[in-house]
Amino acid sequence: AQSVTQPDIHITVSEGASLELRCNYSYGATPYLFWYVQSPGQGLQLLLKYFSGDTLVQGIKGFEAEFKRSQSSFNLRKPSVHWSDAAEYFCAVALYNNNDMRFGAGTRLTVKP
Amino acid sequence: EPEVTQTPSHQVTQMGQEVILRCVPISNHLYFYWYRQILGQKVEFLVSFYNNEISEKSEIFDDQFSVERPDGSNFTLKIRSTKLEDSAMYFCASSSLAGGGNEQFFGPGTRLTVL
Repeated sequence: AQSVTQPDIHITVSEGASLELRCNYSYGATPYLFWYVQSPGQGLQLLLKYFSGDTLVQGIKGFEAEFKRSQSSFNLRKPSVHWSDAAEYFCAVALYNNNDMRFGAGTRLTVKP
Repeated sequence: EPEVTQTPSHQVTQMGQEVILRCVPISNHLYFYWYRQILGQKVEFLVSFYNNEISEKSEIFDDQFSVERPDGSNFTLKIRSTKLEDSAMYFCASSSLAGGGNEQFFGPGTRLTVL
């Protein structure tokens, strides 16, 4: 069955530390891949997306993600986390001919001072 | 920068009542979507809409739900007879093109509470 998995429900990191949020997908073909961020009381903001080409994609706010086909993964990274990065992060996938975007369950990021 | 807007930000209603959630998509976008997020759960696709027709819908989008584009700017989601389990955050989104490869821009959401 098609699915998107974010194994970590909640992650806590110290400000200035590096961050990696995991995302795995299970689809018949390589889907389009997205990372969204949701701050409290806010909507979903797109951080970055992968369609094809270079497997390391750069996004806004200093985030990057790497697509690894062999692992069916699209992990989000940031070298140095800021307190303002505290939010909920969602991995999402979509197929080329389908408007139905599927989201992972989300990972809540807490940033310690 | 253009953005998707949604009203109201929070709606409280009694079980069995009808509610209409409103969205104003980005003005030159042609494809519109509704998603919902039950508290603590993942964001779930409800429906997509193009050219005054539903193009796709999920199993969640049953006969209690309907969507409409009543004029050139608004896109609405109606729930005819709300149930307790309809309590959720409802997100509207729009995109300029169809297909999974095209970015969907999300509104801030409407929190629906059914009592």
